[in-house]
Parts: sequence; structure tokens; C-alpha cells
Amino acid sequence: AQTVTQSQPEMSVQEAETVTLSCTYDTSESDYYLFWYKQPPSRQMILVIRQEAYKQQNATENRFSVNFQKAAKSFSLKISDSQLGDAAMYFCALIQGAQKLVFGQGTRLTINP
Amino acid sequence: NAGVTQTPKFRILKIGQSMTLQCTQDMNHNYMYWYRQDPGMGLKLIYYSVGAGITDKGEVPNGYNVSRSTTEDFPLRLELAAPSQTSVYFCASRRTGLYNEQFFGPGTRLTVL
Repeated sequence: AQTVTQSQPEMSVQEAETVTLSCTYDTSESDYYLFWYKQPPSRQMILVIRQEAYKQQNATENRFSVNFQKAAKSFSLKISDSQLGDAAMYFCALIQGAQKLVFGQGTRLTINP
Repeated sequence: NAGVTQTPKFRILKIGQSMTLQCTQDMNHNYMYWYRQDPGMGLKLIYYSVGAGITDKGEVPNGYNVSRSTTEDFPLRLELAAPSQTSVYFCASRRTGLYNEQFFGPGTRLTVL
């Protein structure tokens, strides 16, 4: 069975600085996809970025980028130039052939002004 | 497009009562999902559906039932509510294809007393 682990329950960063959120996963499949979702206090789940396992190039979306290390089964999220609106719970998730998205436990990110 | 809508937004149940959480999507997505999120935790899959008439259990199906008679609707039924079912419930949908993101509803906060 696939698992997703986020070892940092909470992180904080100064506004305008860079922060990295960690995620490791376990799967026996070779074809899968990884996602980072953001959940602000409104509870709405918002897709931040996604990565195909077969692609070596790390995905980037504006200030958000990932460091995908397939052999190590690691998928970290880097947020550059942190903004107050980035404060939220962040969830790492994995989907593979079973069509089911498996979530990590989440990391609560606080932005200090 | 309204996206994924859920009703009600909030509900308080007494132990042993039953209720149905409604979920509707207007994006013609084949896949639909029900998750629960306990405080400070990630989302856990309750049930999912790959199309009308087809449903399957997720990680935590006990105490719940689902049906999928149409593409648009995917109601979740709670029979004999228990305090352990106090949680926030999210419905989600997506198009066929692992790469495609899941779109989430706003959630239903359920309290069982």
C-alpha cells in the first residue's frame, strides 16, 4: 500500500524569505503523480503544484517549486518570497493506478511579518 | 460552472441518527470521492466512484454508504451516527487520467453528540 509522510507538523518563515516543506512517500508503482495542496483557514483545498513521476525535471509554478528525488522517494515543496497569503496547511499527496489520492498528515505553515 | 457543491455546510447529529451528505459536480467528471478530515490530520478516503453505478471502498468505509446513480451526484449516507464520525467531510471530483487534479467541495462540518 502506498503511504505519504510529512515529518514537519509545523513550520514558520519570515515574510519574503524561502521555506521548504518535506514529504516522503512509498509506492511499488513506477507510474504515479505527486501533488501539493494548500488548505487555508477557509478549508478549501487548492492545488499548488503537481509532478509526474516519469519526468526528471522539477515542476515550477511561479514562487512554488518542487525537489523531486525519485530514488529517495522524496518530494519537497519550496516556497520563495513567502507572502502572508501563503499561511495555510500544506498537504502532500500521491496518486497511482488505483486512482485513489493518498494524503500526508499535513504541515501548518505560519508566515511572520 | 459551480464546480463541486456540498450541502449542508454544518450539521449537528445525535448519536444513532442518520443523515445524507449531498455532493454534486457540474464538470462531467467520471471520478468522485468522499474524504473525511479529523482535526489536525490529513484527508482519509471513505468511498470513491469511477462512474455512474460503480462505487468502491476507501480506507475508512465503516459506518458509511454511497450510491452513484448519475454522473453529477454522489451522496454519502451515515447510518447510526457515532461520536467517532465527528469530522469535516469533503467531496471531490476529477476527470479520467492520473495527471488531472481533484476539485474539492467546500466541506461539511459534522458534529455527533
